[in-house]
Amino acid sequence: DTEVTQTPKHLVMGMTNKKSLKCEQHMGHRAMYWYKQKAKKPPELMFVYSYEKLSINESVPSRFSPECPNSSLLNLHLHALQPEDSALYLCASSQGTNSPLHFGNGTRLTVT
Amino acid sequence: EDQVTQSPEALRLQEGESSSLNCSYTVSGLRGLFWYRQDPGKGPEFLFTLYSAGEEKEKERLKATLTKKESFLHITAPKPEDSATYLCAVQGETGTYKYIFGTGTRLKVLA
Repeated sequence: DTEVTQTPKHLVMGMTNKKSLKCEQHMGHRAMYWYKQKAKKPPELMFVYSYEKLSINESVPSRFSPECPNSSLLNLHLHALQPEDSALYLCASSQGTNSPLHFGNGTRLTVT
Repeated sequence: EDQVTQSPEALRLQEGESSSLNCSYTVSGLRGLFWYRQDPGKGPEFLFTLYSAGEEKEKERLKATLTKKESFLHITAPKPEDSATYLCAVQGETGTYKYIFGTGTRLKVLA
């Protein structure tokens, strides 16, 4: 079991749907991340929150909207996605810079 | 530009056949090099952090080493359960919160 919990594990959504991915960590980490991973590719950074403030947005399309309600929670709101957005979405946390990332087991997203 | 290259892309070993995976990196001011194991359909699992050349870390059948240009993950007498993709990532001084990942080595250990 990982210390970063992601829900749901699987999600199928149509291109007109609105859905949210959720992530929770209780390690006291102050940095939280969203990554996207396609098959046989490394994780690709999307967003970073540091001390509950958005620090990095890697030019992600506005159909992905992150939210950090508190230091333990991270959400990713999805709207009007495209089939090419189908991927494994990974949440991670770290104690700070120079520290390892701790990943959840991801949400497998399929856009139909 | 910070860069990470892993080799080989894929590796098949017989059970008990020791080998090494390579992670070559180019980074401005290494802050840390990280090794992960990823099983299919799961998130990467953290294995080791290395911070400076000459450093070594061990865990069961795995040993990670670091030089100024590359890191090796040595696998001694592997078992089928060691089959996974092994990812290497680096963080440099110009990329706060940015971890540069290699494309990974897919390891298959045959019984």
